[in-house]
Amino acid sequence: EAQVTQNPRYLITVTGKKLTVTCSQNMNHEYMSWYRQDPGLGLRQIYYSMNVEVTDKGDVPEGYKVSRKEKRNFPLILESPSPNQTSLYFCASSKLAGAGQETQYFGPGTRLLVL
Amino acid sequence: EDKVVQSPLSLVVHEGDTVTLNCSYEVTNFRSLLWYKQEKKAPTFLFMLTSSGIEKKSGRLSSILDKKELFSILNITATQTGDSAIYLCAVVGGGSNYKLTFGKGTLLTVNP
Repeated sequence: EAQVTQNPRYLITVTGKKLTVTCSQNMNHEYMSWYRQDPGLGLRQIYYSMNVEVTDKGDVPEGYKVSRKEKRNFPLILESPSPNQTSLYFCASSKLAGAGQETQYFGPGTRLLVL
Repeated sequence: EDKVVQSPLSLVVHEGDTVTLNCSYEVTNFRSLLWYKQEKKAPTFLFMLTSSGIEKKSGRLSSILDKKELFSILNITATQTGDSAIYLCAVVGGGSNYKLTFGKGTLLTVNP
């Protein structure tokens, strides 16, 4: 089954304790992206990757890191989480084959609470 | 900066009603507009629109894009309680980033 998976689905942590949220897709998509969703603010892009070893900042990258060592995986790293990073996080992926190919498919989401 | 505005922000209807959700946008080098449905989980894809005036249809849902007036509508006919969800509109702009810029969504509640 074609899908985007994320782990963990739920996470409670404390300020300053490094964490990683994994994202994996089995659709051979070139493009992957991380979003956070907050009430009243909607979905905002954190980082994206056009292909292996190619990553760049989205609209709200502060406090996050990513890596893209393999095509299927795109982990999100919070080196020193803070309470304002409490949010619902989504990973998404899409092809980049040409016009009309950019539909992004979303993972199930990771709900993070930073105390 | 790319911008997407959805209206209304919330809507309550009865089963069987027809609803129209609106999405207007400002984007540099428009590529496409997408509609997603979000229940208590991840957004699921409904439609992608790239050309003006061509209606996309899937069962009771349909959508159309007007690239001249920079808006799209999503219609749902004969609504059911299972249509209750947040409907998200997003645009893909130009440049090297295929970023989706989302509107804040329309919360649709369908009462029996």
